[in-house]
Amino acid sequence: GIQVEQSPPDLILQEGANSTLRCNFSDSVNNLQWFHQNPWGQLINLFYIPSGTKQNGRLSATTVATERYSLLYISSSQTTDSGVYFCAVAGNTPLVFGKGTRLSVIA
Amino acid sequence: KAGVTQTPRYLIKTRGQQVTLSCSPISGHRSVSWYQQTPGQGLQFLFEYFSETQRNKGNFPGRFSGRQFSNSRSEMNVSTLELGDSALYLCASSPDTYGNTIYFGEGSWLTVV
Repeated sequence: GIQVEQSPPDLILQEGANSTLRCNFSDSVNNLQWFHQNPWGQLINLFYIPSGTKQNGRLSATTVATERYSLLYISSSQTTDSGVYFCAVAGNTPLVFGKGTRLSVIA
Repeated sequence: KAGVTQTPRYLIKTRGQQVTLSCSPISGHRSVSWYQQTPGQGLQFLFEYFSETQRNKGNFPGRFSGRQFSNSRSEMNVSTLELGDSALYLCASSPDTYGNTIYFGEGSWLTVV
């Protein structure tokens, strides 16, 4: 099945800093989503981005499908950005999740 | 539009008991998937239902089962609970085919003692 690797596993930032989270996957996909898991456990959709680039406020994402990776950019980070970020991918299969990047933003 | 609703949110069960978790998908969504999240194994796919039929099943023992009703609501059941079944169980819904955005509910936190 599809393998998903996320890096870095942990990231500590000062408030206001920028960061890049990476997701590598092992096969072609028709679904790639980025999620933020809040402290109560809910997975919040950030982007549906099997290819191309999208932006939403301080967050943006780019997926290069031919090279099998996706990047999530967080600019001007805030303490509320803390949490775990997951990348999940699928072909004509259920979503497969990476192990996540745990982000801690310090005031 | 209401999101994915899961009940109950929190529950504590004793080893050997069984548990049923419920999921109401977003209105109009016909696909419902279930995932288990534990600190050690991360997020793992349990099963997916589409139009009352199980379309995919993950690598879990037969104690884990599910079903989907004609109104797309889904339930999952775990029988003969073990301590290792303690986890966050997440339900997700999507419109129909693969290649659509998938939306998750808030999850059901299960503790087995």
